[in-house]
Amino acid sequence: DTEVTQTPKHLVMGMTNKKSLKCEQHMGHRAMYWYKQKAKKPPELMFVYSYEKLSINESVPSRFSPECPNSSLLNLHLHALQPEDSALYLCASSRWDEAPTDTQYFGPGTRLTVL
Amino acid sequence: AQKITQTQPGMFVQEKEAVTLDCTYDTSDQSYGLFWYKQPSSGEMIFLIYQGSYDEQNATEGRYSLNFQKARKSANLVISASQLGDSAMYFCAMRESPGNQFYFGTGTSLTVIP
Repeated sequence: DTEVTQTPKHLVMGMTNKKSLKCEQHMGHRAMYWYKQKAKKPPELMFVYSYEKLSINESVPSRFSPECPNSSLLNLHLHALQPEDSALYLCASSRWDEAPTDTQYFGPGTRLTVL
Repeated sequence: AQKITQTQPGMFVQEKEAVTLDCTYDTSDQSYGLFWYKQPSSGEMIFLIYQGSYDEQNATEGRYSLNFQKARKSANLVISASQLGDSAMYFCAMRESPGNQFYFGTGTSLTVIP
C-alpha cells in the first residue's frame, strides 16, 4: 500500500482565518514532507519531518506552522495567509534511509484559495 | 546550476504512438537515484519509475521505460502505446546519496491526441 491521504481536498479561506491541512500515511515511513506547488511549476519543498522532528524548514513564513503529532500524521496550520499563498499543497512520505532508492510518495493534495 | 533539466515544456503525441520525454541531470555524486512522476490535472503526483545510478539495466514498469545514459547524464522517460489518460505533467527528479534532498525538474506537459 503506497497511499498518502490528505484532507481537505479543497479549502477556501479568508486572510484572517485559521485552518489546518492534514496528511496521513500508513506505510511505516519515517519522513514526511510538505510541498507548495503553483500552477505549471514543480513542487517547492517547505518542511521535512524525520522521526517526528522537524529536520528541514526552507525559510517558510511563520504563517505556516507544521506539526507532526506522530509518525503517521502531519499537519500544516495556516494563519493570516496572503492571496499569494493560494496553491496546491502536497504532502509526501518516504523511508528516510539516505539511500538513493528512497522514493517519495505523494498524497492527492489540497487546493488552497486565499481570498 | 540546475540539478535537473527538462527542455520540453510541452509535447504532443498521437494515441497508440510512443513518446520520449527528456531529462538531463547534474551531479558529482556516484550514488544517486532518478525518478519520474506523473501529475494529472487532478493534482496528485504519481510515482512512475526509478533508476539507480548503479543499475546496469534500464528500468521498466509496464508501458514506462527509462532510457538511462550515464555518461550523458540523461534519464529519458519512454511511454509506449500512448493512451488518452497519459495526458498530464511529467516531472523528472533526482535524489543524491547520502543526503535527503529531492530535486525536481520544471516538468513537461504531455498531450495525447486521439
